[in-house]
Amino acid sequence: DTEVTQTPKHLVMGMTNKKSLKCEQHMGHRAMYWYKQKAKKPPELMFVYSYEKLSINESVPSRFSPECPNSSLLNLHLHALQPEDSALYLCASSHLPYDRDSEETQYFGPGTRLLVL
Amino acid sequence: KQEVTQIPAALSVPEGENLVLNCSFTDSAIYNLQWFRQDPGKGLTSLLLIQSSQREQTSGRLNASLDKSSGRSTLYIAASQPGDSATYLCAVKGSTGGFKTIFGAGTRLFVKA
Repeated sequence: DTEVTQTPKHLVMGMTNKKSLKCEQHMGHRAMYWYKQKAKKPPELMFVYSYEKLSINESVPSRFSPECPNSSLLNLHLHALQPEDSALYLCASSHLPYDRDSEETQYFGPGTRLLVL
Repeated sequence: KQEVTQIPAALSVPEGENLVLNCSFTDSAIYNLQWFRQDPGKGLTSLLLIQSSQREQTSGRLNASLDKSSGRSTLYIAASQPGDSATYLCAVKGSTGGFKTIFGAGTRLFVKA
């Protein structure tokens, strides 16, 4: 199983809502990532978890709150978002911790398309 | 700071044509370079990964080359098909910026039947 799953596929929320994005993998990967991608732009790294611990936070606003409850799950909690946060949110995982090996491939999920009204 | 540039930004070719997509990066101290495919509104699919010690990788009709010293990579697609229509992203992982993977903006490919 080389699949990374993400739910929901689509999400529409108001600026006062609280919602969560979910990502799951069962490949035994110990590194998991959140990326944000705007239309016709490359993915931009938001967070990296290595062995269930947050290792990189790319100065992401606190209205985005990541959580890694176990080695297979990664959540992104959303609160008080702005319309400019509308984007495709991609989750990825890789076999080895982020900063240790040159050879791992990142496996990406299909993404959650988020629209903030 | 690593910067990744892809040329052209968009490309339209007739079916059956061989084509080359280009990727350049500013910092040659990379660990690997990866080519991804992304269909509209979808996630990324890894096509080929080239380690820093390698010069090229092949998978089916795809061939990717890496010239680390000049900061360049190419993705060669042979006998293109309409199903190859997608955005192709180049991404490099290096020692600068905390071992992050930095993506190019992609080349949008359209193969006409």
